[in-house]
Amino acid sequence: NAGVTQTPKFRVLKTGQSMTLLCAQDMNHEYMYWYRQDPGMGLRLIHYSVGEGTTAKGEVPDGYNVSRLKKQNFLLGLESAAPSQTSVYFCASSYGLAGGVSNEQFFGPGTRLTVL
Amino acid sequence: AQKVTQAQTEISVVEKEDVTLDCVYETRDTTYYLFWYKQPPSGELVFLIRRNSFDEQNEISGRYSWNFQKSTSSFNFTITASQVVDSAVYFCALSEGRGNEKLTFGTGTRLTIIP
Repeated sequence: NAGVTQTPKFRVLKTGQSMTLLCAQDMNHEYMYWYRQDPGMGLRLIHYSVGEGTTAKGEVPDGYNVSRLKKQNFLLGLESAAPSQTSVYFCASSYGLAGGVSNEQFFGPGTRLTVL
Repeated sequence: AQKVTQAQTEISVVEKEDVTLDCVYETRDTTYYLFWYKQPPSGELVFLIRRNSFDEQNEISGRYSWNFQKSTSSFNFTITASQVVDSAVYFCALSEGRGNEKLTFGTGTRLTIIP
């Protein structure tokens, strides 16, 4: 099992450019999440999905869009990148509330994005 | 709204010393879950423990132990006989168990173990 994988690992964009980050999981998890990590701020939730075809906003959704067309994939898009979106992006997946408990999230290795 | 506070930004201890990382949380729900994650220098996040709000028993796993106290809304993490491999950023997180299982993270504590 590869677990949670993220593509690409690093990316440099110019202001105004667009890009898509891909997250894939092979654990048959229903729930998937996108977080950003900034110095001194911990991880903050951008968007999440509780199943194929569903998405919802998290704490900091502005400037991002997501899609979950397949259960194993969760895409994060930046339509017009801004320097404030320079961050490390983490994808995570979990079984959600299966079994009546809040299951732990498994994280990908992260994508380091720099917007100039 | 839920909130997690890790007041200790950075801690340094000499190897073999014990160290406790503090976590204080806020939530209005009676059902919730608390987590600890470790982020070593390599960058990935590693799950350490989950505790639900109805289980106040402390837990020990090797050199790691966790103290959950609902009366003080705290879920502290102690490493006994610290080792250099324990050097990492540690995050405490809270989920309200409402079905979306969103995690609210604290800002993390950077732990450095000095050889």
